[in-house]
Amino acid sequence: GESVGLHLPTLSVQEGDNSIINCAYSNSASDYFIWYKQESGKGPQFIIDIRSNMDKRQGQRVTVLLNKTVKHLSLQIAATQPGDSAVYFCALMTGGGADGLTFGKGTHLIIQP
Amino acid sequence: EAQVTQNPRYLITVTGKKLTVTCSQNMNHEYMSWYRQDPGLGLRQIYYSMNVEVTDKGDVPEGYKVSRKEKRNFPLILESPSPNQTSLYFCASSLWGEDQPQHFGDGTRLSIL
Repeated sequence: GESVGLHLPTLSVQEGDNSIINCAYSNSASDYFIWYKQESGKGPQFIIDIRSNMDKRQGQRVTVLLNKTVKHLSLQIAATQPGDSAVYFCALMTGGGADGLTFGKGTHLIIQP
Repeated sequence: EAQVTQNPRYLITVTGKKLTVTCSQNMNHEYMSWYRQDPGLGLRQIYYSMNVEVTDKGDVPEGYKVSRKEKRNFPLILESPSPNQTSLYFCASSLWGEDQPQHFGDGTRLSIL
């Protein structure tokens, strides 16, 4: 079956620095990838997505990179702010998504002042 | 405001006492899903529904039931709750089709004593 793993459960960065959160997946048939942000006491919030026919997508202060060769996904957050402190999950979908999303276990991003 | 609403947000109950967690979305989404979130295990799908009267098991369906009589509602039913169902539960919805991100409610924390 599918598995999704994150390289680090916790990432601590200085305010203003860039953050990079990584995710590895096992199923090469996965074709849609999403990053979610979960703040304390709330549900996962959609940040950005990318389809398997792309290798990079940019949003506001965020960039997602997809390397299908090594089955690796990353989320880059530019100029990290205190409000970025949260748990970040990668999630993937395979074959249209009837089975829903498979989630990684999350990386807790901690912002140091 | 587009949202997924879960009720209750918190519930403490006892083993064997039937309970229902309601989920409602106002975005006219076809697809709805329930997940549970446990420390070290991440988010795991319980049940999903692709449309009215169409439901299917996710990865961890044992001990749960669902129904989808209306498009906007997708209740999660625990007929005889047990302590191993103590968890944080999330309902999510999306448009049906490829590459549609799921939108999550703010969660229901269940404690089964």
